[in-house]
Amino acid sequence: DQQVKQNSPSLSVQEGRISILNCDYTNSMFDYFLWYKKYPAEGPTFLISISSIKDKNEDGRFTVFLNKSAKHLSLHIVPSQPGDSAVYFCAARPYGGATNKLIFGTGTLLAVQP
Amino acid sequence: DSGVTQTPKHLITATGQRVTLRCSPRSGDLSVYWYQQSLDQGLQFLIQYYNGEERAKGNILERFSAQQFPDLHSELNLSSLELGDSALYFCASSVAGTSEETQYFGPGTRLLVL
Repeated sequence: DQQVKQNSPSLSVQEGRISILNCDYTNSMFDYFLWYKKYPAEGPTFLISISSIKDKNEDGRFTVFLNKSAKHLSLHIVPSQPGDSAVYFCAARPYGGATNKLIFGTGTLLAVQP
Repeated sequence: DSGVTQTPKHLITATGQRVTLRCSPRSGDLSVYWYQQSLDQGLQFLIQYYNGEERAKGNILERFSAQQFPDLHSELNLSSLELGDSALYFCASSVAGTSEETQYFGPGTRLLVL
């Protein structure tokens, strides 16, 4: 049962254009959503997050949008750079408890073409 | 470099065997998490420790066990290995393992069971 889904395994974008990565979730009991970036042979690196009480969070070239009614979030990268080429994982944290465990999607491979 | 170290980087073993994966958290972090990433899957949460105590458990098989030692390093023990246990195993750490903390990931251990 995949609670966090990334339906696009890959995405190719031209340098300088916008990259939009999408993520859907099926469980309303998530209070925090995160995006991680992963380069080959490295562990995931935290990129940006958003609380479930917000609908947008921006950090430089990266913006995350949350649509709770659609159970959908997206990551926008503007402008895209070749160094952004990596696998992007969407993750969600369940409400409550003393744990910070995360539930991850399957990832989207972003290729930014020079 | 996240500051989280994992050894070994690669491990090749046979079915039925037992292996131990090791993780050292970032300096000052008290909480350690283990995740498994199988082929074409997202990261699956296995278990979380905080200051030596188990805090949360995911879908961790009974053949798998973990512990966190007084010096805060953690070990994940995998026994009676099966072909399907071949995966990337990531360790992450955070300060206290509670809400909204960023998890910092190690580079992972790639396990191949033949």
